[in-house]
Amino acid sequence: HVQLVQSGAEVKKPGASVKISCKASGYTFTTYYMHWLRQTPGQGPEWMGLINPNGVSTAYAQRFQGRVIMTRDTSTSTVYMELSRLRSDDTAVYYCAADRDGSGHLQHWGQGTLVTVSS
Amino acid sequence: EIVMTQSPATLSVSPGERVTLSCRASQSVSSNLAWYQQKPGQAPRLLIYGASARATDIPPRFSGSGSGTEFTLTISSLQSEDFAIYYCQHYHNWPPGDCFGQGTNLEI
Repeated sequence: HVQLVQSGAEVKKPGASVKISCKASGYTFTTYYMHWLRQTPGQGPEWMGLINPNGVSTAYAQRFQGRVIMTRDTSTSTVYMELSRLRSDDTAVYYCAADRDGSGHLQHWGQGTLVTVSS
Repeated sequence: EIVMTQSPATLSVSPGERVTLSCRASQSVSSNLAWYQQKPGQAPRLLIYGASARATDIPPRFSGSGSGTEFTLTISSLQSEDFAIYYCQHYHNWPPGDCFGQGTNLEI
């Protein structure tokens, strides 16, 4: 079955960068779009961006443009999300989520990675 | 930007009850609407896509309906494991952008 396993919790200082990984298994890696979202307590998920199945194209939410980079490594079936110039309001749980047909509904989710930004 | 509004924010219910949750889009999203369930400390889980199609392994007590701007998620007979937060998401635009509602919390 499809499994997405994310890297562990991170604590970062303001202005630093964080890079989260999401390792996929149980399906053909190059057939799914991969989205990244984040969530703060009491809020719905916030879409950050996506990377297409072959890793050639990305699309980012406007509010993250210039601060986020999404990549994928086909050899290890892993996608990465790097967020730079961290601020305290970037403290959130970050999720990767797989989209089989590019429709935008998210069939499979990682377990989440807590990123805490604090001085 | 399409804004998704869910109501109510919180719903107090009892096991065995039939429950209907609402989601409204600020403009038509056709049938490009999904519902997710999220329990504390867990990632969201896809329940419904295409407004009415159940995702894999989702029990038949969950059903979705609607199109355009008005959508509902119905749970025919609440089980204890159904107490959670439910989110609707539209995927009418590509790339998705801001697409989730603020959620409905089902509590006992």
